[in-house]
Amino acid sequence: DADVTQTPRNRITKTGKRIMLECSQTKGHDRMYWYRQDPGLGLQLIYYSFDVKDINKGEISDGYSVSRQAQAKFSLSLESAIPNQTALYFCATSDTRGPTDTQYFGPGTRLTVL
Amino acid sequence: TQLLEQSPQFLSIQEGENLTVYCNSSSVFSSLQWYRQEPGEGPVLLVTVVTGGEVKKLKRLTFQFGDARKDSSLHITAAQPGDTGLYLCAGDSGYSTLTFGKGTMLLVSP
Repeated sequence: DADVTQTPRNRITKTGKRIMLECSQTKGHDRMYWYRQDPGLGLQLIYYSFDVKDINKGEISDGYSVSRQAQAKFSLSLESAIPNQTALYFCATSDTRGPTDTQYFGPGTRLTVL
Repeated sequence: TQLLEQSPQFLSIQEGENLTVYCNSSSVFSSLQWYRQEPGEGPVLLVTVVTGGEVKKLKRLTFQFGDARKDSSLHITAAQPGDTGLYLCAGDSGYSTLTFGKGTMLLVSP
């Protein structure tokens, strides 16, 4: 079984709809992240959480919100989806106990907003 | 804001050729990581370099961290179609989160 899972893997929705993307991990890591990937723009950090009570905005948090329901679960919400939020979304985890901040990524969610 | 610039953005070569991908910054990083992402999957860590001037080899891949810890390169010898993918560098400043480059898309044709 995969260590970092994301649901759904693909989603098509309409402008104005509320969407939730979910991420679960079995690695026991304390840090979790949400990234957005667009062609030619690399990975842009949306939100990150260093533990259950810690939530931080990344470089492109506008239009998004997150919830850290447990150490293993971190969800991303689009309150009112718009077409320019069409992208590939990745969840990642990392372990503060390691010597470096290696990140482990989920398989991604492809979101299309019509 | 720390930036990592990768070059080239896209590289299309024939099987057997050699190539080098560069990752440059004006900032110093405590470590630098290289990831490879295949279509339909998330990035996967290839290597982490920590010491200035460090060279690490992973089969046909050679990674180098600059002496000043501001830049890095990835050299692939005798590229194979299985090397096709998006290569991302990421810098760890030691403060909070990684800084990712925009990536180099490599296509190796048989």
